[in-house]
Parts: sequence; C-alpha cells; structure tokens
Amino acid sequence: DIVMTQSPDSLAVSLGDRATINCKSSRSLLDNSNNKDHLAWYLQKPGQPPKLLIYWASTRESGVPDRFSGSGSGTDFTLTISSLQAEDVAVYYCHQYDSVPYTFGQGTKLEI
Amino acid sequence: QVQLQQSGPGLVKPSQTLSLTCAISGDSVSSNSVAWNWLRQSPSRGLEWLGRTYYRSKWFYDYAVSVKGRITINPDTSKNQFSLQLNSVTPEDTAVYYCARVSPAFAYWGQGTLVTVSS
Repeated sequence: DIVMTQSPDSLAVSLGDRATINCKSSRSLLDNSNNKDHLAWYLQKPGQPPKLLIYWASTRESGVPDRFSGSGSGTDFTLTISSLQAEDVAVYYCHQYDSVPYTFGQGTKLEI
Repeated sequence: QVQLQQSGPGLVKPSQTLSLTCAISGDSVSSNSVAWNWLRQSPSRGLEWLGRTYYRSKWFYDYAVSVKGRITINPDTSKNQFSLQLNSVTPEDTAVYYCARVSPAFAYWGQGTLVTVSS
C-alpha cells in the first residue's frame, strides 16, 4: 500500500497569512503515460464529508478559490493557502489515487 | 449535478451485517468513466477506503485487504444505486461511512452515515 504522510499534524496561522501543508508518499505518484501526479487535496469541516480542492497535484476543482494552490511531483507535494480566511479553518487531507487501495494522509488541522 | 444520497441503519449489533445504500442522481452507476466507492472514517483509522465497483463492459470489484472476505459492493442498475454489505461486524467497525464517486479524485460524496456497532 502507498503510505501518505502529512506534516505538520496541526498548524496555527494568522488571518491573511500563508499556510503550507506538506504531503509525502511512499512511492512516486507520477503517471508517466500522461505526466500527471495522482494526488488530490481535500478539506473537511466537522460533520461534513471531505471537499475536493485540488487534483492532479495542481489542478483546482471548479469553484475553489484561487488562494488554494497545489504543487510538487513524484513523492513530495505541497498545499498552499496564500491568504488565510476564517472559513479555511478545517482539517486538510492529501490522497493518492494512483492505485488501490486508495490511501489518505493522517490529516493536518489548520487553525487561526 | 451529481448527488449521492445514503440510507441505512445507524446501529448494528456485533456479528450482524452492516448494510448501506447510495442512490445516485445526475450520473449512472453504469457509467464507463467513473468508479463508485465506499469509505469510512473513524478517529482510530482515519479515512479508510473500503472498496469500489465500476463498469467497463462488465462489472469490476476491488476491496481493501482489511475487510476482504467480509465486504460486498453491489451495483443496482434498475434503481441507479450501489450498496455496501459488511458482515460479522465488531465494535472496531464503528465509523462514519461514505459513498463517493472517483473521476479521478473523490469529487462527489454522500452525506455520511454514522454506524455504531453495539449490542
């Protein structure tokens, strides 16, 4: 199974500041057939299912604000929130969809 | 717009079978470009993928090793839905269960069902 490890486990950021969350996979997620990384980012608020933010490591899902961006390739990935808003308080997860079993990081709790 | 609506009991007794259904609107369970999944989430296990079914001229199934032998995912084309059956449950199966569509990531989720395994 591909193990996904996020850092840090929790993060406190001031409103308007940048937040950075890292994710490392135990195996490369790069698909050489299309040069895309099978990596997604989600946020989850209490009582709700996860919400997709980013897929293919850097493609923003429709309707996601452009303050959210994803980067990285291979085994190392980053989610950046350029200017933190109050509504961004949530738990963030990375997820690999390169192969089953699909796996997720342990989550990063983002607080103000 | 794709919507997934979950239904099923929130309380199951140990050794019995957990059964949940996910009704699909805005897409077809027989679509040949997506897969239909069940996942669960608990404090001890985090987000855990359980299995999937998808149609590519015939039906395919994949299951997590952690539940293999106990799990069945069934598509129902007549009702445009898919179901989860998990047999011989124990308290460790207590979790919030989600259905979700992957294409390629999990863009659409059901609302979640808290299932408690307790006598």
